[in-house]
Amino acid sequence: GQNIDQPTEMTATEGAIVQINCTYQTSGFNGLFWYQQHAGEAPTFLSYNVLDGLEEKGRFSSFLSRSKGYSYLLLKELQMKDSASYLCAVIDMDSNYQLIWGAGTKLIIKP
Amino acid sequence: EPEVTQTPSHQVTQMGQEVILRCVPISNHLYFYWYRQILGQKVEFLVSFYNNEISEKSEIFDDQFSVERPDGSNFTLKIRSTKLEDSAMYFCASSGAPHANTGELFFGEGSRLTVL
Repeated sequence: GQNIDQPTEMTATEGAIVQINCTYQTSGFNGLFWYQQHAGEAPTFLSYNVLDGLEEKGRFSSFLSRSKGYSYLLLKELQMKDSASYLCAVIDMDSNYQLIWGAGTKLIIKP
Repeated sequence: EPEVTQTPSHQVTQMGQEVILRCVPISNHLYFYWYRQILGQKVEFLVSFYNNEISEKSEIFDDQFSVERPDGSNFTLKIRSTKLEDSAMYFCASSGAPHANTGELFFGEGSRLTVL
């Protein structure tokens, strides 16, 4: 079967660093995406990992360990506008490359 | 910057009525998708479309649903006879390459459907 787990909600302070974890179980892993979704808006692309390691893009970094079925999104120098849900999504080859979505982690930034 | 546009932004309909949601994907994209998100729940895949035909669909996409690309720019989702449980935000997305090949998905702003 397929399963993606993320914490439901996290709280962090403006200017700090936060790490949002995602674990997955799929039979045909072929890549992992992170998307940001502000309330009532469409998801927007943040990152894509298919190989193990860390991908850095400005204040955001994403890490993947395929052997552990684990990824994290690291957000640095948090800003109030980073308050949003962060969605982990996995491509599953055995589901004809469908994108399987996690339920998202709601990140609340406090001043 | 090119973007995916969707209309209407919000539609309220009576149960049993037909609804058509419209999308204009990014012009040079070849892969089109519909997703839905029930309030407070996860994004769910409905259907993918390539080369004028459905390439994949989920269990949610039953006979009540259909998609069409009536011309070179529009991509529509039709729900034949709406049910209360069809109330959700429907997102259209497009990509220039299959997302399995790192094709980033570009989402529209969504169409909120409320079935009464």
